[in-house]
Amino acid sequence: QKEVEQDPGPLSVPEGAIVSLNCTYSNSAFQYFMWYRQYSRKGPELLMYTYSSGNKEDGRFTAQVDKSSKYISLFIRDSQPSDSATYLCAPRDTNAGKSTFGDGTTLTVKP
Amino acid sequence: DTGVSQDPRHKITKRGQNVTFRCDPISEHNRLYWYRQTLGQGPEFLTYFQNEAQLEKSRLLSDRFSAERPKGSFSTLEIQRTEQGDSAMYLCASSLVLGGREAYNEQFFGPGTRLTVL
Repeated sequence: QKEVEQDPGPLSVPEGAIVSLNCTYSNSAFQYFMWYRQYSRKGPELLMYTYSSGNKEDGRFTAQVDKSSKYISLFIRDSQPSDSATYLCAPRDTNAGKSTFGDGTTLTVKP
Repeated sequence: DTGVSQDPRHKITKRGQNVTFRCDPISEHNRLYWYRQTLGQGPEFLTYFQNEAQLEKSRLLSDRFSAERPKGSFSTLEIQRTEQGDSAMYLCASSLVLGGREAYNEQFFGPGTRLTVL
């Protein structure tokens, strides 16, 4: 079983919808939780990160971590066609140089 | 462009041939990472360097794979005797770790090298 499991999608929503993207993980050592966005044929780019449990908001994006249930979420409000991409969760423990990625959820926002 | 660059962007090779990819990190970034991504999956960690020292290698990195970062700047990833299962996107990322801390540091990814083994 993979260390990080991500809702597979694909997900298709109308413009303006609220989107919820979710991951679960098994490694209790994970302390930092990243969300990356990847457009087709491009490298991932960091969207947000959260340390330990809690919420973090950045504009239309909110990242949420519940370490007790090992559950990670990314919410997108007022989704836009430009948000169409693959979203990857990538937790990391505090003493490792590497990220462990989920397999990504592909989101399409239709105008 | 001051981002991470990778060369070539695409490589098509025949099974059994050797290939080498290059990654140029963001200037002054001391950490450099290699990941592999296959279609429909997330990137999988292969190896990373702190300056010229290779600090960790995944068990995915078989003895046909070798990575170097000889002067702590650019890095090369070589695959010997390529197999069809090596077909993937090879991603390079770099980051700056200050003061030896290994807490959160942002990894900046390059555009990747897409390898197709026929």
